[in-house]
Amino acid sequence: EIVLTQSPTTTAASPGEKVTITCLASSSVSNMYWYQQKSGASPKLLIYSTSSLASGVPDRFSGSGSGTSYSLTINTMEAEDAATYYCQQWSSNPNTFGAGTKLELK
Amino acid sequence: QVKLLQSGAALVKPGASVKMSCKASGYTFTDYWVSWVKQSHGKSLEWIGEIYPNSGATNFNEKFKGKATLTVDKSTSTAYMELSRLTSEDSAIYYCTTTDYWGQGVMVTVSS
Repeated sequence: EIVLTQSPTTTAASPGEKVTITCLASSSVSNMYWYQQKSGASPKLLIYSTSSLASGVPDRFSGSGSGTSYSLTINTMEAEDAATYYCQQWSSNPNTFGAGTKLELK
Repeated sequence: QVKLLQSGAALVKPGASVKMSCKASGYTFTDYWVSWVKQSHGKSLEWIGEIYPNSGATNFNEKFKGKATLTVDKSTSTAYMELSRLTSEDSAIYYCTTTDYWGQGVMVTVSS
């Protein structure tokens, strides 16, 4: 099973600040998915196939990476971005999620 | 628009089974895999398995083989997941998802 390690576990950002969340895979994967989950809500797809923006997602979100290292970037933090973010790999069965990164508003 | 409407919360006794539903609308149900994902309280997400409604083909996380059964009813565009031999470890929120879209989740509580 491929283990995804996210960092940081928790972080805080001020409005307008740039945020980067990293996801390291225990083995190489072909791409990465990123989800946002707000308290009490279902996860929401942000990024698919490493860098493609899901429908309706603001373009301040972007994804990049390859092999075992992937990242999600929020170019300019907004209050509504406070949430927990998860990476997911589909390259290997079982597909697995990272433990999550909690992003708070400073 | 696309919606995945899941059944309501369930309180079940240890050792029992529970079957939950996920009714799809707004897209061609038979064209997309439906996955099921477990989220234990305050924790991360676990992929249980997936089913392709057109054929009924399934793929499972080895951890959930024997625990989860996935089925579909194409006539009502509904996917089902049954969990058997429930223990406290099965208490969680369960989501159905097509990746792009997620149901609202079903909270399952296993308690005597």
